Amino acid sequence: AQSVAQPEDQVNVAEGNPLTVKCTYSVSGNPYLFWYVQYPNRGLQFLLKYITGDNLVKGSYGFEAEFNKSQTSFHLKKPSALVSDSALYFCAVRDRVSAGNNRKLIWGLGTSLAVNP
Amino acid sequence: KAGVTQTPRYLIKTRGQQVTLSCSPISGHRSVSWYQQTPGQGLQFLFEYFSETQRNKGNFPGRFSGRQFSNSRSEMNVSTLELGDSALYLCASSRSVAGDHYEQYFGPGTRLTVT
Repeated sequence: AQSVAQPEDQVNVAEGNPLTVKCTYSVSGNPYLFWYVQYPNRGLQFLLKYITGDNLVKGSYGFEAEFNKSQTSFHLKKPSALVSDSALYFCAVRDRVSAGNNRKLIWGLGTSLAVNP
Repeated sequence: KAGVTQTPRYLIKTRGQQVTLSCSPISGHRSVSWYQQTPGQGLQFLFEYFSETQRNKGNFPGRFSGRQFSNSRSEMNVSTLELGDSALYLCASSRSVAGDHYEQYFGPGTRLTVT
């Protein structure tokens, strides 16, 4: 069955330190991969996506993510965390091969990132 | 360009009642998806519509239904409400149909409380 895992419910990091939010998936072929962020009391916002090409994708607010096909991972990273990065982060994956209902967007359960001053 | 709008923003209903939520996508977007978000279950996919046709659906009971109109606006309906239906219901629009790489744009959500 297709699935997305965000193995950490919560990540804590000090301001100025690098951060990583992990995402692994089980989807056939080379899926489309997305990261979204939900700030407190605000809607979900798109951060970045991987379609094809360079495995390192750059997105909004200084975030980037690396697609690793062999490890079926798409970890979100930022070199220097800000307190304002504290939010709920979701990884999502869409199968680009299957037909019908199997091509729906599959979401992880989210990782709460807390950046401490 | 205006974002995704959802009405109402907040709703309180009692068990057994039904509710209809509305979503207006970004102009030009023809795909609308609905999600239920709860603290314990994360983001649960309900259904996705494109050009008035339901293209994908999640694992929710038949009490949850939806539709899309010719102007791409969408409604979802929940009948015979249960306490467990209390959640934030999110609508998202995108430029194209399931299977494409376009990102989704989310509305602010409708907070449904069932008492």
